[in-house]
Amino acid sequence: EAGVAQSPRYKIIEKRQSVAFWCNPISGHATLYWYQQILGQGPKLLIQFQNNGVVDDSQLPKDRFSAERLKGVDSTLKIQPAKLEDSAVYLCASSQGSKRDLTDTQYFGPGTRLTVL
Amino acid sequence: QQPVQSPQAVILREGEDAVINCSSSKALYSVHWYRQKHGEAPVFLMILLKGGEQKGHEKISASFNEKKQQSSLYLTASQLSYSGTYFCGTEILPGGYQKVTFGTGTKLQVIP
Repeated sequence: EAGVAQSPRYKIIEKRQSVAFWCNPISGHATLYWYQQILGQGPKLLIQFQNNGVVDDSQLPKDRFSAERLKGVDSTLKIQPAKLEDSAVYLCASSQGSKRDLTDTQYFGPGTRLTVL
Repeated sequence: QQPVQSPQAVILREGEDAVINCSSSKALYSVHWYRQKHGEAPVFLMILLKGGEQKGHEKISASFNEKKQQSSLYLTASQLSYSGTYFCGTEILPGGYQKVTFGTGTKLQVIP
């Protein structure tokens, strides 16, 4: 079974530029998560999709971050314009989530390491 | 509310045991444990649900004390492959969808 795919793996941009990340979840997984992981910290949830609908984006800085999940499969996360403090690893995860499963497991992708100069 | 993990870091020799704690200021519904090796994605270890159950994964087990609002991860007879950062993730309420808040992590290094 293929895992969660993400691209690019690394990205270096200057502040005020824009950047986009792509994620393809495990086939059949209804729930997709985007996390931001700053060096030395735990993953912080940015946005959570159930199929192509947003169920939680309370910690997404909506003035600069946006995300979409068209057709309920792959997803893109965009930052525009980027700030220095956006330097982090952006992790995508997916889970079956088709119904409330008490033991639903999140599977993480390899992440995109973003450096903002 | 982000759960608090302790210790922040620990160094073990192969074969030694370790305990990693995860505490919450709110009543917990479930606790998830992940291990992340340097430069890699977090990998799921186990999930514990409200009810104080204990689960095991190879020589790694965990307990969940809902009264104390904490979970502990036990690593016995540690191996070099156990090195990495361990994160607990907590769910406060059983909502319509899973919502996990990850802790600050515990960096574990196993040396020969």
